[in-house]
Amino acid sequence: DVKVTQSSRYLVKRTGEKVFLECVQDMDHENMFWYRQDPGLGLRLIYFSYDVKMKEKGDIPEGYSVSREKKERFSLILESASTNQTSMYLCASSPLAAGTRRNTIYFGEGSWLTVV
Amino acid sequence: AQSVTQLDSQVPVFEEAPVELRCNYSSSVSVYLFWYVQYPNQGLQLLLKYLSGSTLVKGINGFEAEFNKSQTSFHLRKPSVHISDTAEYFCAVRTYNQGGKLIFGQGTELSVKP
Repeated sequence: DVKVTQSSRYLVKRTGEKVFLECVQDMDHENMFWYRQDPGLGLRLIYFSYDVKMKEKGDIPEGYSVSREKKERFSLILESASTNQTSMYLCASSPLAAGTRRNTIYFGEGSWLTVV
Repeated sequence: AQSVTQLDSQVPVFEEAPVELRCNYSSSVSVYLFWYVQYPNQGLQLLLKYLSGSTLVKGINGFEAEFNKSQTSFHLRKPSVHISDTAEYFCAVRTYNQGGKLIFGQGTELSVKP
């Protein structure tokens, strides 16, 4: 089974702190994603990466950055956390397999971040 | 750009009743379509997906969905729901002209009552 592991389930950070959310996948997937989930807004894409050291902005990249130094690991960084970044963060990965049965995005369990 | 609209934010239903969760999308290119389920305090689990071929897709837990290209819809159905189906359901589309990202709807909260 595909496993996407997010290192922290629950975090509480102070305003202005630098925050790292780590994600590791074990299926050699090329694509990795960071989403943010808020009630009534569904999931919104922050950043994604289709290869090592490659990254693309999603719909809401402001206030975030990412790092992908190794294929299996994709980190989300909040340079200076703010209270409006309190949310659930979901990491996901998928193979490069557009029209095949492997076309699926797999999600981690999520990280609940509270910024106080 | 692609977008997804889930027409109902909340759907209450009694146990053993049928249910339909509605999803419409807009896209200028061909899309792949997905339904995910999220149980409380968990990540997203794939219910089913449409890539090509038969427009009626069967998924896990007795759910099915029908792709209707002319109406740009992908509604999710189950003929008889259980208490354990209480969860949030997300419809999503994916294309390959934007790096393969998944665009989600706002979610539908299904509440099954005894």
